[in-house]
Amino acid sequence: NAGVTQTPKFRILKIGQSMTLQCTQDMNHNYMYWYRQDPGMGLKLIYYSVGAGITDKGEVPNGYNVSRSTTEDFPLRLELAAPSQTSVYFCASTQINTGELFFGEGSRLTVL
Amino acid sequence: KQEVTQIPAALSVPEGENLVLNCSFTDSAIYNLQWFRQDPGKGLTSLLLIQSSQREQTSGRLNASLDKSSGRSTLYIAASQPGDSATYLCAVGGATNKLIFGTGTLLAVQP
Repeated sequence: NAGVTQTPKFRILKIGQSMTLQCTQDMNHNYMYWYRQDPGMGLKLIYYSVGAGITDKGEVPNGYNVSRSTTEDFPLRLELAAPSQTSVYFCASTQINTGELFFGEGSRLTVL
Repeated sequence: KQEVTQIPAALSVPEGENLVLNCSFTDSAIYNLQWFRQDPGKGLTSLLLIQSSQREQTSGRLNASLDKSSGRSTLYIAASQPGDSATYLCAVGGATNKLIFGTGTLLAVQP
């Protein structure tokens, strides 16, 4: 059972480059989330989705975009990478009636 | 705005000790509270989920309690083992299960 899968695990970007972090889940969960974790800090919510075709902003959405064309996939796009986006990014999913969140293993992004 | 605080930030104990990790939150209007474990370089693993109507949850050597009115939760770990060494994160869930996380407690259990 794969759960939540994120790719890539590591990536180095130059300032101004763009990239997409991929997230897919095989648990048929309605709700999906993107968080970022900076050293010594808790996780901050970037964007979330309550179902295919529906997305909404979290606490720190600036500089990011998302889409949810299928139940399984929730990609996160960085359009113009900045050093402030150096972080570890986590994707998560849940069925709302249980509330238990399942996380991917993270994508470590460095912007130089 | 909901804020979640975890105390202590770091804790070191000898193997076999019972220990308590603390979590406090400022807004009692929560849907649930979850405790997670995070190993270095890894994702988060859910340990215990307490719904807002519940007072506690237990799983093996772990027991989590919730006092909504006072904005507090504790995670009790019995008979600690070196394998329990990790960062423990508390998170409170609101509408659409958006979680607000604390900054975590780094636990080291010495053999």
